[in-house]
Amino acid sequence: GDSVTQMEGPVTLSEEAFLTINCTYTATGYPSLFWYVQYPGEGLQLLLKATKADDKGSNKGFEATYRKETTSFHLEKGSVQVSDSAVYFCALSDQNGSARQLTFGSGTQLTVLP
Amino acid sequence: SAVISQKPSRDICQRGTSLTIQCQVDSQVTMMFWYRQQPGQSLTLIATANQGSEATYESGFVIDKFPISRPNLTFSTLTVSNMSPEDSSIYLCSASRQTNYGYTFGSGTRLTVV
Repeated sequence: GDSVTQMEGPVTLSEEAFLTINCTYTATGYPSLFWYVQYPGEGLQLLLKATKADDKGSNKGFEATYRKETTSFHLEKGSVQVSDSAVYFCALSDQNGSARQLTFGSGTQLTVLP
Repeated sequence: SAVISQKPSRDICQRGTSLTIQCQVDSQVTMMFWYRQQPGQSLTLIATANQGSEATYESGFVIDKFPISRPNLTFSTLTVSNMSPEDSSIYLCSASRQTNYGYTFGSGTRLTVV
């Protein structure tokens, strides 16, 4: 079945540091890939998405590129801020699946220190 | 993207009782889902809410424990029945028009069973 493997946390960085959170996936079809962010005490917000190979999703300085050859969708940001502290979830939706629900990774807790 | 209003946002309930969680979407959506997120964990799909028919449950979740209704394309409810402390968790609903559009989440219901 489908699965998503995320870099284990927690991750602690200083403000303005470079961020990478690794995400790899296994899917039977041609999935769409997503990054969601969950701030403390809140629900999930879509951060960015990519629906086909080589697509780059970007939002709020975050980027991720859909790499079919390595089955990866790593999240990057060049300079993190304290306000980026949150839990980040990588997810996929297999477009060949009848239900098309999201499959989530385990989540990565990011803490950015001033 | 769709906006979801989920309520209640939190509740403390006695064991053996039931709680119904509601999700209202501001536009018609084809797909609605219910997830559970245990403390510090990722999201686990409970079921897909099907409009006008019985929900499709994932392994480990049954209708008697988690009855779901979806009377139209904008509204769904999840009931957590005969609650025990093990049901303490965050419950989230999600909706999407199409996979490529991404999935919107409600703000979650934080349930504590005492």
